[in-house]
Formats: sequence, C-alpha cells, structure tokens
Amino acid sequence: DTAVSQTPKYLVTQMGNDKSIKCEQNLGHDTMYWYKQDSKKFLKIMFSYNNKELIINETVPNRFSPKSPDKAHLNLHINSLELGDSAVYFCASSDTGTQKGYEQYFGPGTRLTVT
Amino acid sequence: QKEVEQNSGPLSVPEGAIASLNCTYSDRGSQSFFWYRQYSGKSPELIMSIYSNGDKEDGRFTAQLNKASQYVSLLIRDSQPSDSATYLCAVNRSRYSSASKIIFGSGTRLSIRP
Repeated sequence: DTAVSQTPKYLVTQMGNDKSIKCEQNLGHDTMYWYKQDSKKFLKIMFSYNNKELIINETVPNRFSPKSPDKAHLNLHINSLELGDSAVYFCASSDTGTQKGYEQYFGPGTRLTVT
Repeated sequence: QKEVEQNSGPLSVPEGAIASLNCTYSDRGSQSFFWYRQYSGKSPELIMSIYSNGDKEDGRFTAQLNKASQYVSLLIRDSQPSDSATYLCAVNRSRYSSASKIIFGSGTRLSIRP
C-alpha cells in the first residue's frame, strides 16, 4: 500500500548513457513533482505536472525530460548523463484540489551514481 | 540571501528537553510553511504545516509562524532519540493554484543525546 513509489531505488551508470526513473502514486493526487537532492543534501525542485500538464519547469538542463502519461505517473528521462547528475532524485505528489493542496508527500528516492 | 535560511547545526539536545528549530524566509508574499523530517538515507516526511500567524500544536510538535518577522520555528517537546534527524524548513512560493513550488532550507541536523 505504498503511497508514492519510485523505480529503481539505485541506479549506477556511466557517463554519456541515457536512463529513466519512474514514479507512481496511489494517493489520488493530481500533481506530481521531481526534486534533486545533491551531495550537500540541498533539495531543489525540478519539475511539476498537474493532470499531465507541465506547470513548473525550473532551470534544468534540457537533457532532463519529464513525462506524465497520466496523473498517477511521472517519469524522468535523462540523456547523456554527466558526473554532476549524481544525486538522489525524489518524486512527490500533492492534491491541489483540497485545503491541504500545498502539502507534498515524497517517494523513497532514486540514488543515481554516474561513473 | 537564501530564500529559506536555517542553521545547519548540529543541534544537540538532551533527551526529554525541548528542541527549538528556527527558520527565516525572504519572500514576504509566502503563505504556506512546512516542516519536514529526513532521516539519513530516507525521504523527507511532512510533520507540520502552518498557514496563519501563531502556534499550531500536534502531539509533541509545535510550529510557530510570524509573518511580520518572516520567521518560522518548530518546537519538539520531550525530545526522544528517535527525533534525531535533519529537519527541513519549507516555504511555498507558488503563484499557481495547480501546483505548489516549495523552496527548502538546507536543513538543521538535530541530535538527541540520551
């Protein structure tokens, strides 16, 4: 009965490769997010989708491309991976149609290591 | 100036005492404020949200908000070793009704010593 899940949990890959991370939520929320947490533990928003529509697109290299096939799923594809992409990537969701719409709930994270 | 500022710590508090965590934010128009707890190697977990000036209590946790001073705090009463974690202050800066744009502070490491 996991609320927000991500796959894979760990991802080790070489520079230049292309990889994808998947996120699914079963909370019935309408908005999903991708965050990056770097080695200094700073957590920064990357993208947000509401009902499959891109709402927030922060200053992120265009090698990162999010995709939301439906409101319960949000994927992140990364092209031409670089060493600096190594981080933990968190997915989150919120239900903007409610009073607590700004509260976000996080998935377990995907630790990406680029060698 | 960082948008959300916290003392990185570590903050060491004896078991049973009150832990006090502080945060300031720069955007005076911010309306929603949150405290997340993050254990090492785990994801952030929402523990408190506060939307209006004053205090909000939930169990051993009390969040305090002062919009005039742009200040948010979290008090943890009767601190337990299980409270040892990094506490992230977060502020919603979104101008969209369809998504929240949460800006996180860098976190305060809290250590409860037995």
